[in-house]
Amino acid sequence: RKEVEQDPGPFNVPEGATVAFNCTYSNSASQSFFWYRQDCRKEPKLLMSVYSSGNEDGRFTAQLNRASQYISLLIRDSKLSDSATYLCVVNPSSRDDKIIFGKGTRLHILP
Amino acid sequence: EPEVTQTPSHQVTQMGQEVILRCVPISNHLYFYWYRQILGQKVEFLVSFYNNEISEKSEIFDDQFSVERPDGSNFTLKIRSTKLEDSAMYFCASTPTPGDLSFFGQGTRLTVV
Repeated sequence: RKEVEQDPGPFNVPEGATVAFNCTYSNSASQSFFWYRQDCRKEPKLLMSVYSSGNEDGRFTAQLNRASQYISLLIRDSKLSDSATYLCVVNPSSRDDKIIFGKGTRLHILP
Repeated sequence: EPEVTQTPSHQVTQMGQEVILRCVPISNHLYFYWYRQILGQKVEFLVSFYNNEISEKSEIFDDQFSVERPDGSNFTLKIRSTKLEDSAMYFCASTPTPGDLSFFGQGTRLTVV
């Protein structure tokens, strides 16, 4: 299993739809988890951290399932500006500071 | 809002030349990183730096690469003898604590010709 694995997409969804991204990670001892978004040829920008209890920020909801080593991101009422690549990011250990990026899932919101 | 700044935004260099990529991390952050992203591929960790020394590096970060914090604000990545395959976007990042969320600079696009 790859360290961090995501469906590469692209996901083409109409504006207003709900879209879900999934991510799996291989190291069961991983400590912290994040979703970043990356626009074309730009830097990754933090979208949200992911906690075991799940967390929500406006239209965005992130969930972590440690037993299945699975992270999800849900975007409700999608907007054209949500078009980007969504990166799943995992920190495998609390002792070191090397975070691992998934390859990302591309999202296109269609008008 | 504080941000990580990188210069130059784009660097073109001939194969075999040395390049220095510059970064100014967020001022109260203690941990600094370099990542690279080859076009169409994932972001890859290169090196982390804390307390004026490398704390971890990847297999990509070979003897051609070095990092330095020459003063209290700058953090540099040097590639001694560039190869064509070094062409990529190089991102600097900083964080107040390891494993915490990282703030990324806008990147330097390095093109080796």
